[in-house]
Amino acid sequence: NAGVTQTPKFRILKIGQSMTLQCTQDMNHNYMYWYRQDPGMGLKLIYYSVGAGITDKGEVPNGYNVSRSTTEDFPLRLELAAPSQTSVYFCASSYHLQGQYFGPGTRLTVT
Amino acid sequence: GENVEQHPSTLSVQEGDSAVIKCTYSDSASNYFPWYKQELGKRPQLIIDIRSNVGEKKDQRIAVTLNKTAKHFSLHITETQPEDSAVYFCAAFEGGSNYKLTFGKGTLLTVNP
Repeated sequence: NAGVTQTPKFRILKIGQSMTLQCTQDMNHNYMYWYRQDPGMGLKLIYYSVGAGITDKGEVPNGYNVSRSTTEDFPLRLELAAPSQTSVYFCASSYHLQGQYFGPGTRLTVT
Repeated sequence: GENVEQHPSTLSVQEGDSAVIKCTYSDSASNYFPWYKQELGKRPQLIIDIRSNVGEKKDQRIAVTLNKTAKHFSLHITETQPEDSAVYFCAAFEGGSNYKLTFGKGTLLTVNP
């Protein structure tokens, strides 16, 4: 049982490039989330999903897109990367009415 | 939506002392309150949680208390050890959604040997 896995661990992007952050969970959780965490700061919700085919915006969705075609996978797409998107990105998953389990994170730098 | 306030933002204690972190929330419909510990460079990890039908929950040196009337909940760590040093986040489900958490801004706990 690997829990929540994320790839890549680190990435450097140039301004204007695009990339997809991968997230997979093997706990059969319905709910999945993407957060960003800037240095020394708390967690900000980007997007979330309550099941396959259902996604919704969180607090800071601009510049990002998601899809949820299966229960296991919840990729986050960055289009036209900007320096403001330099951050650590965490994927998380949970059951209904339960705490969230986080992946190890992806450290992204946009230069 | 839900608003979660967390205090203090930093807390320094001597090894063996107790540490208390407090959070308040705004939405009376919130019914689940987890606490996360995040060590430097690591992912947040769920350490304890409490539901609205319970006033207190303990797990070894960690306890959480909930006062629904006052809309506040607290994390208590007894006999602190250097490995307790981390950032601690409280959270509450947003607006009765039961799936979207609102996090506090975090408390940096430093346990001095």
